[in-house]
Amino acid sequence: DAGITQSPRHKVTETGTPVTLRCHQTENHRYMYWYRQDPGHGLRLIHYSYGVKDTDKGEVSDGYSVSRSKTEDFLLTLESATSSQTSVYFCAISGLAETDTQYFGPGTRLTVL
Amino acid sequence: GNSVTQMEGPVTLSEEAFLTINCTYTATGYPSLFWYVQYPGEGLQLLLKATKADDKGSNKGFEATYRKETTSFHLEKGSVQVSDSAVYFCALNTGFQKLVFGTGTRLLVSP
Repeated sequence: DAGITQSPRHKVTETGTPVTLRCHQTENHRYMYWYRQDPGHGLRLIHYSYGVKDTDKGEVSDGYSVSRSKTEDFLLTLESATSSQTSVYFCAISGLAETDTQYFGPGTRLTVL
Repeated sequence: GNSVTQMEGPVTLSEEAFLTINCTYTATGYPSLFWYVQYPGEGLQLLLKATKADDKGSNKGFEATYRKETTSFHLEKGSVQVSDSAVYFCALNTGFQKLVFGTGTRLLVSP
């Protein structure tokens, strides 16, 4: 299994509070991604990173920000959580080639009350 | 734009039955195609992939063939087991390492 960990694994928070999710990899892969998984939508890309300090938006980036100060860590921040951000969040990593596999972390279940 | 359409689930089968999960796609260019599987409470795992037309991906008895003429990548298995019960996602690589996923198809296999 690819070395990807996510923390926390579960979190319950209240509307309006800031939340940061962490993804850590030990594979030295260049690309890192944050997805959210919701019933009826599959997985949707929030943000991704193609190197340290290099990030870009995905299809559902509103309300989220990311940072990558080291190759191994990719942080996802909800500046002011809303109930619509209740979801399961997955981090993924991949290498450089177009055909490279994306490997997924175990997920973080976030509930915003 | 790029998109993936999967058959609605759940798909309910008895053990040893034949499985087909349909997947069609819309994309510009020649994307790579993937099937991922998600077991309860876990993240997604790559099941198989195909990188060009007519390629066949296979793993653990599952197969899928990249059909450019029908823009399809249907997943098949000749004899399913209870342990195959999971959610299956079809996906395509749109370039720049970004994946677009289908909505997933839940497979339930009973003994």
